[in-house]
Formats: sequence, C-alpha cells, structure tokens
Amino acid sequence: DMQLAQSPSSLSASVGDRVTITCRASQNIDNYLNWYQHKLGRAPKLLIYAASHLQSGVPSRFSGSGSGTEFTLTISSLQPEDFATYYCQQTFSVPRTFGQGTRVEIK
Amino acid sequence: QLQLQESGPGLVKPSETLSLTCTVSGGSISSRSHYWGWIRQSPGKGLEWIASIYYSGNTYYNPSLESRVTISVDTSKNQFSLTLRSVTAADTAVYYCARRAEMRTVMGSIYYFDYWGQGTLVTVSS
Repeated sequence: DMQLAQSPSSLSASVGDRVTITCRASQNIDNYLNWYQHKLGRAPKLLIYAASHLQSGVPSRFSGSGSGTEFTLTISSLQPEDFATYYCQQTFSVPRTFGQGTRVEIK
Repeated sequence: QLQLQESGPGLVKPSETLSLTCTVSGGSISSRSHYWGWIRQSPGKGLEWIASIYYSGNTYYNPSLESRVTISVDTSKNQFSLTLRSVTAADTAVYYCARRAEMRTVMGSIYYFDYWGQGTLVTVSS
C-alpha cells in the first residue's frame, strides 16, 4: 500500500498565524493528492484536490502545492473555524490511503 | 445541494454481519460522472477507504477488507450499501459514505471525495 506520512502530527497556533502541513508519499504519486478538513462529529470536508486545486466554496486562505512525493497544505491566516484535523489522501493507486492526520489546536 | 445519510444498527455482535445503507438526496446515484464509496475511522485512528461502486454495479475494494466486504447499489431507491461479515472489535468505527468525483487530465483521472455523510458509529461488542 502507498504510505502517506504527515508532519507534524499536531501543532498549536494562534489566530492569524500561517500554518503549513506536509504530506510525504512513499512513492511518486504525481499530483494524485487531496486534502480534507475534519471536525469531530462532522463530515470530512474536501479542501484541495489534485494537489493544488481549491474546491469550490473553500476560502482562498487554503492552498496546496507539491508533486511527486512531497506536498504541502498552507493556511495563510488561521481563523477560529480552522481548528480541526487535516488529512491528505492519495488516489494514485488502490487502496486509496490517507495520512495519519495533523491536528491543529489553539495556542 | 447533495446530501448523503448513513443508516444502520449502531451495535453489532462479534462474528456477525454489519450492514449499512447510504441514502443520497439532492442528486442521482445514477450519475455517469461519479462513484460512491465507504470510508471508516476507528477510534483514535485515521481514515480508511473500504470500497467504491458505480451505478452500473462496477466495484473496487480495499484488498485488506475485500474477503469480508460487499458493496451494492440500488438505483431505484437512490441508495448504496455496505456489508461487512465476521466482524470483530477492530471493526468498531465511524463509517462514512461519500461521493467520488474526478478531474480528467491528459495523464488520467484524479479522484477525490467531494461530498460526505455525517458518519454513523458502529460498535462491535457482545
């Protein structure tokens, strides 16, 4: 299975901070990489697909970049509603796999 | 607005069969552009993709679960379902249904889950 390693596993940040989360794939996955936001008790929400494409309705403070084996999700100015867990997912190969998640907490 | 809603028993006994249904509203499950899938999250763990299905019945499964899983679709009810046999405590999880969309490129199609249900907790316990 394709392994995805996210870092950090958790972080503490303040409103207004710039936050960057990294996802590393065990093999080349081109740009077959998506990012989701998940809040406890709620449906996961698609933020970014194909590494850098912003899903409709998602605020522009979210952006994604990368290709091959290393990808980043950036929140340019953290807002109170952004405190959540973020997951990357690859759809290059079956089984579709997710990273272990990055929990973003309030400092 | 497309909505997905999971339903099914919240408690299943070990060795028995877990059955869940996802009802799609605000859109057709017979869309030619989408697959439909199940994903789960065990307590304290990350997300795990289980299986996906097309309205025509074409399926693909996570190899780690394939021997115990069946995914099916009922277009007349706009629903798709998951059956997981011989469950153990390790199958305790929140189960989500989701719609799979695709972006076509010259290199191929890139898939992503763009709509998700709220999830339903299934506990395996005697």
